Amino acid sequence: DAGVIQSPRHEVTEMGQEVTLRCKPISGHDYLFWYRQTMMRGLELLIYFNNNVPIDDSGMPEDRFSAKMPNASFSTLKIQPSEPRDSAVYFCASSSFSGSGTDTQYFGPGTRLTVL
Amino acid sequence: LAKTTQPISMDSYEGQEVNITCSHNNIATNDYITWYQQFPSQGPRFIIQGYKTKVTNEVASLFIPADRKSSTLSLPRVSLSDTAVYYCLVALYNQGGKLIFGQGTELSVKP
Repeated sequence: DAGVIQSPRHEVTEMGQEVTLRCKPISGHDYLFWYRQTMMRGLELLIYFNNNVPIDDSGMPEDRFSAKMPNASFSTLKIQPSEPRDSAVYFCASSSFSGSGTDTQYFGPGTRLTVL
Repeated sequence: LAKTTQPISMDSYEGQEVNITCSHNNIATNDYITWYQQFPSQGPRFIIQGYKTKVTNEVASLFIPADRKSSTLSLPRVSLSDTAVYYCLVALYNQGGKLIFGQGTELSVKP
């Protein structure tokens, strides 16, 4: 398997523009997570899905952020309008819940977003 | 709501055993603890996971005392390549399935 795939790897945009980040989870995984990482705030969980349904979106910063998972193999994280403080590395991860009640998240390489 | 606390940084030398502790209050018996390792410009990578007592794999051990208010990641005989940031994660099934990451411990291994 190719692992979790994220695109683009780098994105530079201007304040006010719409940004869409994409993620393809590992095939067969039923959980998908979106994280944001900055030096100041560390690693933050934004939202996660189970079987394409959002389970916990309490980490989504504000209404400018939205995430969708239209099918088991694709998810997007959209920021509209973008602001300089959104600059960060955004990670997508996926996992499959095992019968023992545990799971391992596999992270993608991340998208480095810079908002000017 | 549970909160996790880790030391911000630790220093060690090659060949030593390193123990990194994560404090996590208010977790239930079916909430598990996971540790991840992250190198610069990469996503975190799974190290080990457990519920209670002791778990060991080929790279690390995880110790969880009976009160489950903390957990300790043990890295035996570290090498320079173990220099990374280590995160603990608590999965809270009894609190709406919330996932709580610690702020990360930056481990520096010196020759």
